[in-house]
Amino acid sequence: AQKVTQAQTEISVVEKEDVTLDCVYETRDTTYYLFWYKQPPSGELVFLIRRNSFDEQNEISGRYSWNFQKSTSSFNFTITASQVVDSAVYFCALSEPSDSNNNDMRFGAGTRLTVKP
Amino acid sequence: EAGVVQSPRYKIIEKKQPVAFWCNPISGHNTLYWYRQNLGQGPELLIRYENEEAVDDSQLPKDRFSAERLKGVDSTLKIQPAELGDSAVYLCASSPDSTEAFFGQGTRLTVV
Repeated sequence: AQKVTQAQTEISVVEKEDVTLDCVYETRDTTYYLFWYKQPPSGELVFLIRRNSFDEQNEISGRYSWNFQKSTSSFNFTITASQVVDSAVYFCALSEPSDSNNNDMRFGAGTRLTVKP
Repeated sequence: EAGVVQSPRYKIIEKKQPVAFWCNPISGHNTLYWYRQNLGQGPELLIRYENEEAVDDSQLPKDRFSAERLKGVDSTLKIQPAELGDSAVYLCASSPDSTEAFFGQGTRLTVV
């Protein structure tokens, strides 16, 4: 069964600090996708990144970076020089497209990030 | 490109009353999902459609919940009768290839 664990329930940082959001997943499949979504106070889930299980290369997009490590089943998300607008709930998710019965995106419980000015 | 559209945004009903939510996915997206998000938790899948076929409804409480996706485009999710524990945000999402999902703004349901 799929499982996504986001152990950090809430994180509070001061603007310009770097912050890392942890995500640990469990899957028995060799083909899977990992995602990060941002949910601002408006409520809409905003897609940030998708990573497939065969691509362990880390990715950087502006102030955002992602560290995918299959050896530890982790897909951590780092925000560099955080800003107040980064305040939101961030969700990690997992899907197994090769398994039609388990093809659905399963979410972690989320990490609420508060960036203080 | 228009995103996933859901209506209404908010709904308050008394328990035992029926309620329906509507979703218009992104054009061309064959996969449609309904998720429920309880306060302080991540979204949980209720049902997934591939075109007009419900391919995963194992998490849908079938005694009171029903869903349909006529013609493989728009979808409705219904609860009848609603219970206090149904209060949550109901999210619709669509995907072009059953991997990456794009979400609507959700319908916040309050059952009193």
